[in-house]
Amino acid sequence: DTGVSQNPRHKITKRGQNVTFRCDPISEHNRLYWYRQTLGQGPEFLTYFQNEAQLEKSRLLSDRFSAERPKGSFSTLEIQRTEQGDSAMYLCASSLFMFERQADGYTFGSGTRLTVV
Amino acid sequence: AQSVTQLDSQVPVFEEAPVELRCNYSSSVSVYLFWYVQYPNQGLQLLLKYLSGSTLVESINGFEAEFNKSQTSFHLRKPSVHISDTAEYFCAVTLTGNQFYFGTGTSLTVIP
Repeated sequence: DTGVSQNPRHKITKRGQNVTFRCDPISEHNRLYWYRQTLGQGPEFLTYFQNEAQLEKSRLLSDRFSAERPKGSFSTLEIQRTEQGDSAMYLCASSLFMFERQADGYTFGSGTRLTVV
Repeated sequence: AQSVTQLDSQVPVFEEAPVELRCNYSSSVSVYLFWYVQYPNQGLQLLLKYLSGSTLVESINGFEAEFNKSQTSFHLRKPSVHISDTAEYFCAVTLTGNQFYFGTGTSLTVIP
């Protein structure tokens, strides 16, 4: 296993277009997370899945954003009608969750850098 | 709610000198604390973590951090830095492991 894989690495899109990013987590990890990182800031939580169930969504995830993990393996993050403020690095992470209050840290992917022009 | 403050946005330091990157957190309940490192154009990598037990935790590449509950701090230190330590360092806190709150990061630049 080569870790968490994200595609594409870079995406430039025109304002108003839709974009979709893909994340392939570590195969035995049951939890998958999406974070957004803007320039000069730390990552901000967007949403996470346990298997195929989306368990939590941040208020940052407006209704233009949708995330799926249809078979509990890879995940996609779609942004509709992109705006310049969506320009950021979108990070995916995964972990193996076994019990409550387990905090083992994530394995992050290298991210997808989105530029909206 | 939890939050993290990293007091220094940029820290330049000469090679082989010691360094301390400061992190303070805010939480009304017990939390878990982490340091992540991000090299250019890469994702974040876990550097070290405090879950419970000994308040001094160490990483495999010579970094250490000490959890101080009374000062709500989790400062990262290294006694002698190397050029390869140049990176962005993020302190993070989590209550349950489901959602991490990250600081704004400290850019460490090691000067030859």
